[in-house]
Amino acid sequence: DQQVKQNSPSLSVQEGRISILNCDYTNSMFDYFLWYKKYPAEGPTFLISISSIKDKNEDGRFTVFLNKSAKHLSLHIVPSQPGDSAVYFCAASANNQGGKLIFGQGTELSVKP
Amino acid sequence: ETGVTQTPRHLVMGMTNKKSLKCEQHLGHNAMYWYKQSAKKPLELMFVYNFKEQTENNSVPSRFSPECPNSSHLFLHLHTLQPEDSALYLCASNRDRGDYNSPLHFGNGTRLTVT
Repeated sequence: DQQVKQNSPSLSVQEGRISILNCDYTNSMFDYFLWYKKYPAEGPTFLISISSIKDKNEDGRFTVFLNKSAKHLSLHIVPSQPGDSAVYFCAASANNQGGKLIFGQGTELSVKP
Repeated sequence: ETGVTQTPRHLVMGMTNKKSLKCEQHLGHNAMYWYKQSAKKPLELMFVYNFKEQTENNSVPSRFSPECPNSSHLFLHLHTLQPEDSALYLCASNRDRGDYNSPLHFGNGTRLTVT
């Protein structure tokens, strides 16, 4: 049973436009959500996070939105740049379940010049 | 440079071999993790060590044996693996298990191929 799902394996966007990456979860106990970015031949790097007490967190070009009622999370990148091309992983954890991070399967973003 | 170094970067081994993966972190963290990433699948947590004590074994087969001699070093000993164990093995660390203000820092992984 996959508790965190990224249903789009890939996404292609034009440089300068908005990239929207989506993530759905099933465990209502999740209270902390993160996005990681992974380039080929490198490990994932932390990008941005959000606590369940918020519905939006912004850091420069990156904004994460949380819709708890829909159990849906999204990452917006605007404007998109070719250097943003990578695999993006959504992850979630529940404090009362030991804080174990559950990852989605990733979405490969390609930003075309 | 992530502060988490994994060696080797690539490893090819036969099913009867014994090998070890090494991870070292220079971030002063107290929790270290082994993750497995198979193609097109989510990262799967294998083991967690917090202050050198193993706090989680995520139903990993005994042919994988972790070792954490101190908070900076983590090993994964491999013995009689199967071809389906071929994957990217990632080490990660953070300040403390369950510390929400300390995201995981990952190494670049070891790409393991079992023949």
